[in-house]
Amino acid sequence: AQSVTQLDSQVPVFEEAPVELRCNYSSSVSVYLFWYVQYPNQGLQLLLKYLSGSTLVKGINGFEAEFNKSQTSFHLRKPSVHISDTAEYFCAVSVASGGSYIPTFGRGTSLIVHP
Amino acid sequence: NAGVTQTPKFRVLKTGQSMTLLCAQDMNHEYMYWYRQDPGMGLRLIHYSVGEGTTAKGEVPDGYNVSRLKKQNFLLGLESAAPSQTSVYFCASRPRLAGLDTQYFGPGTRLTVL
Repeated sequence: AQSVTQLDSQVPVFEEAPVELRCNYSSSVSVYLFWYVQYPNQGLQLLLKYLSGSTLVKGINGFEAEFNKSQTSFHLRKPSVHISDTAEYFCAVSVASGGSYIPTFGRGTSLIVHP
Repeated sequence: NAGVTQTPKFRVLKTGQSMTLLCAQDMNHEYMYWYRQDPGMGLRLIHYSVGEGTTAKGEVPDGYNVSRLKKQNFLLGLESAAPSQTSVYFCASRPRLAGLDTQYFGPGTRLTVL
């Protein structure tokens, strides 16, 4: 079975500063990796995903993430955050093959952008 | 496409009352999921379905039942609501095809049990 750990429950940062949200996973097989964003009082939206190929994945709103197989990590980064990036961010993992239908979500990281 | 819709958006119940949450998707997705979201707990899977007429238990199934009589609908039932079921409930769907594992989420139902 796979698992996901988001190392920080809350990340405060000032506007225009860079940010990194950390995500580590464990799995005995190949995985697909996702980052979702949840704005206040809304459902989750896909930010970006890694399925295969290039380990650097670019998503919406200027976010990117790098898949590091040796460190089993999929950290999310943005070089300069805006107030509007304040939201909850969830990392998720899904098994790439073998019939598993259940993605596993981390507990979320609350990104708080201060002016 | 409306995507994934959930009905109702808000509901307040008294302990012991029953209710059904409806999730509908118009994307012809095979898989559907019900999650609950609680502060500090992230998303926890309640039940899921891999196709019409099939359901399976997730991580926290106790106190809930589900049905998938039609491919586009996934119902979540609470037979006797308890205060511990106060939460925000999200439905999600995704296609079966490999490489298309992205889940599409509904807007959520905020349930309070008094």
